[in-house]
Amino acid sequence: DAMVIQNPRYQVTQFGKPVTLSCSQTLNHNVMYWYQQKSSQAPKLLFHYYDKDFNNEADTPDNFQSRRPNTSFCFLDIRSPGLGDAAMYLCATSRAGHHTDTQYFGPGTRLTVL
Amino acid sequence: GIQVEQSPPDLILQEGANSTLRCNFSDSVNNLQWFHQNPWGQLINLFYIPSGTKQNGRLSATTVATERYSLLYISSSQTTDSGVYFCAVGVSQGAQKLVFGQGTRLTINP
Repeated sequence: DAMVIQNPRYQVTQFGKPVTLSCSQTLNHNVMYWYQQKSSQAPKLLFHYYDKDFNNEADTPDNFQSRRPNTSFCFLDIRSPGLGDAAMYLCATSRAGHHTDTQYFGPGTRLTVL
Repeated sequence: GIQVEQSPPDLILQEGANSTLRCNFSDSVNNLQWFHQNPWGQLINLFYIPSGTKQNGRLSATTVATERYSLLYISSSQTTDSGVYFCAVGVSQGAQKLVFGQGTRLTINP
């Protein structure tokens, strides 16, 4: 029944140790997004994939990368996590080109950096 | 870029009360969504409402696009309505890049 799935739900990593967060979807949507949400703040878009085309936000640090091997999966790679990267990471999907372009969010992965 | 302001930032009510949450935005939009973020952090879609009025049970929303605001109404509040309510707007075609307001934290006391 789940539509947007994120694994793991909680991730603990060490300062500077690369980490990968996973998102999958059963909606067959062509757009996938990654947002970062820090404590008591609004979600902030990091980047999105429109089909295979990667679109980075101008202020997203180079430390953050993404991969989309197929329609269903998208990964967020943090190459060298710092303490400031501790946050909730939210994956979302939408069906671009449709007039009701609702974004559907996964449950999020809460990242702790020690 | 587009600015999104939500008010009030915090709202504390007793169970059974009604509430109105407001979202102002600084430019024309073609996407506006209301979300409820539950205590576990998941964003739950409430409404996709770039214009007009919609109702879903005890919740309803109205967007007046020409005046650049949207309202979320919650009637007969329940403790399970507690959480943060976000308004998010998008202006692009195709892939929608949502810009979120800062949210309204709603607490419903029994």
